[in-house]
Amino acid sequence: EAGVTQFPSHSVIEKGQTVTLRCDPISGHDNLYWYRRVMGKEIKFLLHFVKESKQDESGMPNNRFLAERTGGTYSTLKVQPAELEDSGVYFCASSPRFPSGNTIYFGEGSWLTVV
Amino acid sequence: TQLLEQSPQFLSIQEGENLTVYCNSSSVFSSLQWYRQEPGEGPVLLVTVVTGGEVKKLKRLTFQFGDARKDSSLHITAAQPGDTGLYLCAGFSGGSNYKLTFGKGTLLTVNP
Repeated sequence: EAGVTQFPSHSVIEKGQTVTLRCDPISGHDNLYWYRRVMGKEIKFLLHFVKESKQDESGMPNNRFLAERTGGTYSTLKVQPAELEDSGVYFCASSPRFPSGNTIYFGEGSWLTVV
Repeated sequence: TQLLEQSPQFLSIQEGENLTVYCNSSSVFSSLQWYRQEPGEGPVLLVTVVTGGEVKKLKRLTFQFGDARKDSSLHITAAQPGDTGLYLCAGFSGGSNYKLTFGKGTLLTVNP
């Protein structure tokens, strides 16, 4: 069974440009999450989808970040325009609708560097 | 804002030694998880502890959840080079079973 896959694995963009990160959750997982780790800080929650619906986007930093999950399958996280402080690792994770043992599966992350 | 403080931040030991990593908070968590992350990979769940005072064992790893559900520890017996990695604690709070609060992690290096 394929795990959570993220693309791109690494991205270097200039300040002011746009970047779109993609996440393919494990097939059949209704829950999809985005987390972020910036340098020197802990991993922080960004938002949670159940299928195509945003259940909680309380962790989104500001309106430069837009997450979508059309059709309830893959998800994209767009940063527009990117700022230097957006650099970090963006993790996507997924879990079944009612996760056994609260098991959440993380992808390998998308490293974003804004220069 | 709930915080999880992990200590130590870095730990370098010799193969065969024992070690303990701590995860502390002033807040109560409904459950707490420990993850291990290797370079270029995402966090991988090791264990979930739910009940205050609970102890779980996973081979040479022993996890404990504090009685008040505010702290946890990870003890590794006879560490092996394969145990090298970043160990993260993370907690669910407020009845949530999806929103994790993470600690900054403990980077463990086990030297042969």
